This record gives sequence, structure tokens and C-alpha cells, in this order.
Amino acid sequence: DIQMTQSPSSLSASVGDRVTITCRASQSINTYLNWYQQKPGKAPRLLIYAASSLQSGVPSRFSGSGSGTDFTLTISSLQFEDFASYYCQQSYISLTFGGGTNVEIK
Amino acid sequence: QVTLRESGPALVKPTQTLTLTCTFSGFSLTTSGMCVSWIRQPPGKALEWLARVDWDDDRSYSTSLKTRLTISKDTYRNQVVLTMTNVDPVDTATYYCARISPVHNSNYAMDVWGQGTTVTVSS
Repeated sequence: DIQMTQSPSSLSASVGDRVTITCRASQSINTYLNWYQQKPGKAPRLLIYAASSLQSGVPSRFSGSGSGTDFTLTISSLQFEDFASYYCQQSYISLTFGGGTNVEIK
Repeated sequence: QVTLRESGPALVKPTQTLTLTCTFSGFSLTTSGMCVSWIRQPPGKALEWLARVDWDDDRSYSTSLKTRLTISKDTYRNQVVLTMTNVDPVDTATYYCARISPVHNSNYAMDVWGQGTTVTVSS
């Protein structure tokens, strides 16, 4: 099975900060990597697919990059509504989620 | 508009079999490339992928749970059913179904999710 490791598991940031979350795969997954946002009590929402493509309706402050085993999700200027948990997920072989990153208000 | 809705018991006893139904609309599971997946999330923990059924009836399961899971589809009723045998309190979680669709080349993503259904396993 492909393991997905996210870091950090949590972070504290302020509105306007640039935030970067990383995701590492246990083997190369090309760009078969998606990112999701989840707010408390809500279902996850697709943000980024194929490592760097923005899902329709997602603000442009979100961006993704990477290929192979190392990926990043960047929020260029954190907004209040961005405080949430974020998950990476690979679809190269079967499906696996990362352990999640909780973005909290500093 | 694509929607999915999970249904099933809120409470099951240990060792029983859990049956969850995902009823969807706005797409067809006979369309090439379309799939439906089940995902769960224990309280305060991360998402865990469970199973997937594809338009061509191909099925795949989480390695750690494959002996306990069965996924099936009813294309006429637009439903996907997940059964989990021999449940334990550690299976207490919110269970989600999600549509998986091809988003880029052969990459697939869960682009529409149901609201989730909470299942507690307790005697």
C-alpha cells in the first residue's frame, strides 16, 4: 500500500499569512495527488486535483505543486474561512489519504 | 446537480453487520469513468478510504478492511451499498460516500461528497 505522510499535523497562523502544507508519498505517484479541505462537522471538499489543478469554484489563493513523492499545498494569504483541516489523497494505486493538517487561528 | 446521501443505522451492536446505502442523483454509474467510494472518519481522526465500485462493476477495498467489506451497486435505483461485518466499537465513525470522477488524464478525485452518516458501535 502507498502511505501518505502530511506535515505538519497542525499549525497556527494569522489571517494574511502564507501557509504551506506538505505531503509525501511512500513511492512515486506521478501527479496522482488531490487535496481536500474539511471544516468541522462538514464533508470534505475537493480543492486541488492532479497535484496542481484548481477545482472549479476554489479561490485562486489556493495552489498545489509537486510530482513523484513530494507535494505541497499553499494558501497565499490565509483568510478566516480557510481555518480548517486539509488532507492529501493519492489515486495512483488504489486510494489513500494523508493524516491531515489542522490549520488553527493564532 | 450531483447529490449523494448516506443512510443507515445510527447504532449497531458489536459483532453485528452494518449496512449503509448511498443514494445518488445527477449522474449515472453506467457512465464510463464514474465511480462511487465510501470513506469514514472516526471522531477527531483522519479520513480513511474504505471501498470503491466502478462503472464497469470493478471493486476495490482497503487492504486493512477487505475481509469485512462488500460494496455493490444498483444502477437502476442509483444506489451503492456497503456492508461491514463483525463491527467493533473502533468502527464508530461518520461514514461518507463520494463520487469519484476522472479529473485529469487517468487521475481520479472525489469531487462530490454526501453529508455523511454517523454510526456508533456499542452494546
